[in-house]
This record gives sequence, C-alpha cells and structure tokens, in this order.
Amino acid sequence: KAGVTQTPRYLIKTRGQQVTLSCSPISGHRSVSWYQQTPGQGLQFLFEYFSETQRNKGNFPGRFSGRQFSNSRSEMNVSTLELGDSALYLCASSHRDRDTQYFGPGTRLTVL
Amino acid sequence: AQTVTQSQPEMSVQEAETVTLSCTYDTSESDYYLFWYKQPPSRQMILVIRQEAYKQQNATENRFSVNFQKAAKSFSLKISDSQLGDAAMYFCAYRSLVVGAQKLVFGQGTRLTINP
Repeated sequence: KAGVTQTPRYLIKTRGQQVTLSCSPISGHRSVSWYQQTPGQGLQFLFEYFSETQRNKGNFPGRFSGRQFSNSRSEMNVSTLELGDSALYLCASSHRDRDTQYFGPGTRLTVL
Repeated sequence: AQTVTQSQPEMSVQEAETVTLSCTYDTSESDYYLFWYKQPPSRQMILVIRQEAYKQQNATENRFSVNFQKAAKSFSLKISDSQLGDAAMYFCAYRSLVVGAQKLVFGQGTRLTINP
C-alpha cells in the first residue's frame, strides 16, 4: 500500500496570506490527524478527523481549520499567516480508533 | 492532561553497541498505548515500536525492545547492535484510548548519534 502523502512538500508564504495543505491517508484509513512541529514547541496536536467529523481539536487559534472529505482525504487551512506559523506540518492516518498512526513526509511551511 | 518527558536531549553510542533511551509519562488512565517513533534527517516520522498498557509483556521488534514499567510510568527503548541508520531523533508518545481524545502526546525527543 502507498503511504500517507502530503502536498505540497514545501511552501513559502508571506504574513497575512492564507495557505491550504493537503493529506491523503493510506488506502482504507478513515482517521486523519494533523500535528505542528517547531523547534521551540515540539510536536503539537492540531486536529483529528474520522469519517468527515472533527473529533478532537488542539489548543490553536481559530485561524487554523481543517476538514475531511468522503474519500478520507483531509485539508488544513491557516488564514492570516503569522511568522510563528512557520513549521513542519505532519499528517497521520490510522484505520480505526485504536490503531497506530502512520505519518506522511510533512509539509514545510515558511512564513516571511 | 497527559504529559510525556524525555530527559535525555542527546545520546551517542558506538556502532554495534547497545543504547537505552528513557521516557516517563503521567496519566490517570489505566488503558492507553505508548509508542516510540524515529525521525531521521528526512523528517519522515517512522514508527519503531508500540506497547499496549494492558499487556505485561514488553514489546520487541527485531533490534528494538522496550522496558515498560506501568506502575512507575516508565517506557524506555533499548536499541541493540546499533547501526549508522539508527541515527535520528527519537520521540516517545502517549495515546489515550478515550474516543475524542486519541491524539498523540509527544515528548521533546532524544537525538541519537551513532559513532562509527
């Protein structure tokens, strides 16, 4: 099976812009989670989707949003970008609730 | 809220030797999963090993094994016969089994260097 894919892999934006990141889970996986990784804060949970429903949300401002489509693909959106949003954004998928999460290669976002 | 602590920011080991990475966690739950993930310079997060809290037997995957001490809330990773390809950041992670709270909570990571 193909692994989790994320597009784009690299992105450069300027402050105030918005960005959309995409994640395609492993075939058959219905749960998708997003994490932000920065040198200062480490790995932090953003949100989790299961069958198109957001089941859990981390402690991030409302500028961060996401959704999941019927084919389990997920997108996350960040509006009004700030310098501090520069990070590696990781997507992970799992088949069911209690299954192991498998990660994609990440999207490196740089905000100038 | 659960927390995960990795007290060793950096570790190094000679190739072919054994190294142990430490992890402690805090939770009031009785059933949960624990993981070790590795993140090489490519930044791809790769699963190393998983431990279910209800299992008393320590998990093993080839050269990788854990020492799971539930009462002490300790979960260390032992890498035997270290190889150059083992060089990476290693993250310990906790996962609740409560629906709606199944996010991974990560430690700060341990950078492992393998000396040839």
